[in-house]
Amino acid sequence: SAVISQKPSRDICQRGTSLTIQCQVDSQVTMMFWYRQQPGQSLTLIATANQGSEATYESGFVIDKFPISRPNLTFSTLTVSNMSPEDSSIYLCSVALGQGGLDSPLHFGNGTRLTVT
Amino acid sequence: ILNVEQSPQSLHVQEGDSTNFTCSFPSSNFYALHWYRWETAKSPEALFVMTLNGDEKKKGRISATLNTKEGYSYLYIKGSQPEDSATYLCAVNSGNTGKLIFGQGTTLQVKP
Repeated sequence: SAVISQKPSRDICQRGTSLTIQCQVDSQVTMMFWYRQQPGQSLTLIATANQGSEATYESGFVIDKFPISRPNLTFSTLTVSNMSPEDSSIYLCSVALGQGGLDSPLHFGNGTRLTVT
Repeated sequence: ILNVEQSPQSLHVQEGDSTNFTCSFPSSNFYALHWYRWETAKSPEALFVMTLNGDEKKKGRISATLNTKEGYSYLYIKGSQPEDSATYLCAVNSGNTGKLIFGQGTTLQVKP
């Protein structure tokens, strides 16, 4: 398994500001993902954080709104930019260990509960 | 877009009751199905990963089955305990990339 430290655990932010969420893993991992869960919705994949290259974003998510850094195999950040109340969600960092094959479960951080006022 | 449906959305049972939830998904292009338990203020925890039609897995009082031909999985909890109270998430792997598509979850509340 992996120990994943995510911070902050929660924050309340004003609209128009930005928040950067950090994810630190205690071992090197190839595959790291960022998810969010809006109230009443399912966990939705925002992007795959790629080490040494630009993140791969899912449909509906763009780099200008959710810039991601992945400077090495143990660390990533997700920034929520120019926030609006619709960005109020739980944001989760997750990793797939090993080669991330079909039978590899995801391991998650504790999440960041963001409220935008 | 892969659509994963879970039912019921929420469930309230008494301690000692057995219960089950359903996860439905398109049977075409299936690769793997995951079940996670997400307790309040904690991170989602993997319960099972299943890939083969007919798979059955068990972990203590919790078990799961998989039918890839008809596109569903059941999660069973035998003799529910208050500590089983959590949201149970089903997710389907749409390719060999580790990317999962999640259902909305079933929230279980077990009353002592």
